[in-house]
Parts: sequence; structure tokens; C-alpha cells
Amino acid sequence: DGGITQSPKYLFRKEGQNVTLSCEQNLNHDAMYWYRQDPGQGLRLIYYSQIVNDFQKGDIAEGYSVSREKKESFPLTVTSAQKNPTAFYLCATSTSGGTDTQYFGPGTRLTVL
Amino acid sequence: AQSVTQLGSHVSVSEGALVLLRCNYSSSVPPYLFWYVQYPNQGLQLLLKYTTGATLVKGINGFEAEFKKSETSFHLTKPSAHMSDAAEYFCAVSVRENTDKLIFGTGTRLQVFP
Repeated sequence: DGGITQSPKYLFRKEGQNVTLSCEQNLNHDAMYWYRQDPGQGLRLIYYSQIVNDFQKGDIAEGYSVSREKKESFPLTVTSAQKNPTAFYLCATSTSGGTDTQYFGPGTRLTVL
Repeated sequence: AQSVTQLGSHVSVSEGALVLLRCNYSSSVPPYLFWYVQYPNQGLQLLLKYTTGATLVKGINGFEAEFKKSETSFHLTKPSAHMSDAAEYFCAVSVRENTDKLIFGTGTRLQVFP
């Protein structure tokens, strides 16, 4: 069954802890993206990657880190430097980036206590 | 730089009524335009997209949108609302010269009353 999986669906962490969100795809897409969604603010791009072992900062990269060691995987780490990490995080993929349609995973809701 | 404005953060309609969700974009070059729908606690699903060619685009679930260059608009419509249409809708723009990302609007939450 093809698609994008994000795990876990809900995540709770204490303030000051790093946490890693998983995103896996079997669509054979080259490009992968991480967005943050807050109420009333739409989606904001955190990081994106168009090829393995390469990634670029988006509009709100501070306090986040990523890796792209495999085509199928693009994990996002929310570090303790991120001041307001509580949000809904969405992973997306597209065939080659740019104007191609982006397909979204189901999301992870992170709550920092 | 390109941008998207969605007029109205909340829209309420009765079941069976016309749905109209507004989107205006700003771009110095021909844009690619998208509408996505999001149900509570889920990811986004593509409704429709405009790239080139025919300006009236038909999407899933009976939705359509018309690209109007003179008005820099890409409004989403559906002739008759259904209860299942209640969700949040996002307009997005991408341009060929900036080939790395989509720019999203802030979203419009659609409520459908029986």
C-alpha cells in the first residue's frame, strides 16, 4: 500500500527535551518537506530536501534539524532551542519538487508540557 | 515574491447552498495554483490544481475553481454543499522560477449547517 506514514500520531514531551518525528514514504518521490501548522497561520515550511544527503532550510528552520540519509525517510528533530514547539507537524512529498503536487502524510501532533 | 490571501477565515453555509471560498494570489510570473482540504487531525488532500491551459479546473468531490488572471484570483466553488464538506481549505501558489516550495494561505474553515 503506497503512501506516507508519520509516527507517532500524538507525542508528548517535557520542555527542554529533543524529540524526533518520523516520516517515511514508499512513493519513490525525490522531494520531501516538513511543515508546521498552527491555528490561523496556515502551513509554514521548516525544511525540505530534493535529493538524498541534501536539504535546505525553509522559512522557520530555527530550533529544528533534519537528515536525509535514505530516499524513503526524512526525520525531523525538534530541539530544545525551539521556543514554541507545540504544534501539528506535517510531512509531504512530491516527485521532484517545485511546482509538482505535494502529497501529505497524516501528521504528528506534538505537545510540550 | 509570491503570496496568497484567503478572504474569510470562517465560512458558514446551509446544506445544499452554494459554497464559495475566496483566494487571491500575488505573483510576478505565471503561477501554479492549488486547493487542498484538511479534515480534523488529518493531513492535507489535494482538491484540484491549475497549471496551464483551461482556466476552469474541476476537482474531486464536486469542487471547481476558476483561474482569473485579470483579478489574480482562484476562488473555489461547489454548487451544493454537503455536510461532509465541513473542513478547512487551503489555497497555495507555486511559481516555476521559485521551484522549491509552495506558499500557503492561512486557510478557511467551512461549516455546513443542516
